[in-house]
Amino acid sequence: KNEVEQSPQNLTAQEGEFITINCSYSVGISALHWLQQHPGGGIVSLFMLSSGKKKHGRLIATINIQEKHSSLHITASHPRDSAVYICAVYGNKLVFGAGTILRVKS
Amino acid sequence: EAQVTQNPRYLITVTGKKLTVTCSQNMNHEYMSWYRQDPGLGLRQIYYSMNVEVTDKGDVPEGYKVSRKEKRNFPLILESPSPNQTSLYFCASGDYRIGNTEAFFGQGTRLTVV
Repeated sequence: KNEVEQSPQNLTAQEGEFITINCSYSVGISALHWLQQHPGGGIVSLFMLSSGKKKHGRLIATINIQEKHSSLHITASHPRDSAVYICAVYGNKLVFGAGTILRVKS
Repeated sequence: EAQVTQNPRYLITVTGKKLTVTCSQNMNHEYMSWYRQDPGLGLRQIYYSMNVEVTDKGDVPEGYKVSRKEKRNFPLILESPSPNQTSLYFCASGDYRIGNTEAFFGQGTRLTVV
């Protein structure tokens, strides 16, 4: 079993829809990243969380340390949100989930 | 501007010809690491470093070397590249102190070994 599991693997949404991507992990961590990678592009760190909730524009990330679970929400999705979203956890090193491929159709 | 800089962005080389991919960060981060990304396998850690002169193997260290002689630089060395090292490589640096967590990734280096 992978230490970091993401779901879904693939997600297609219509523009304007509310989107949720989930991340579960099995190791003790001090921080969790949500990363975004556009096709052929670099990796951008959207959020780093160690507790609670963070919001940036239309993006919201939550983490429940007791349940070892985090969610990334995108409100009012837009085609430019189409990308791969990767969850990564830091215990003494970064461990990555396999990523969620998101496609938002107009 | 806070950033992690990798060079080169693209590299095509031949089997066995030693190469170095450089990584530099300007944020005084203690933690730096290298990853490779392959289709269907996601991101896998090659090596990481918790501080100057402290390096550790990640999940796929075979065929790679690193050094951390100074805090800002963390070069990745392929002494004798082989075609199975064709991949997209990312360097990252981070500050994981409690209450001050941040991390940045380089733009990636696309390496082709023929």
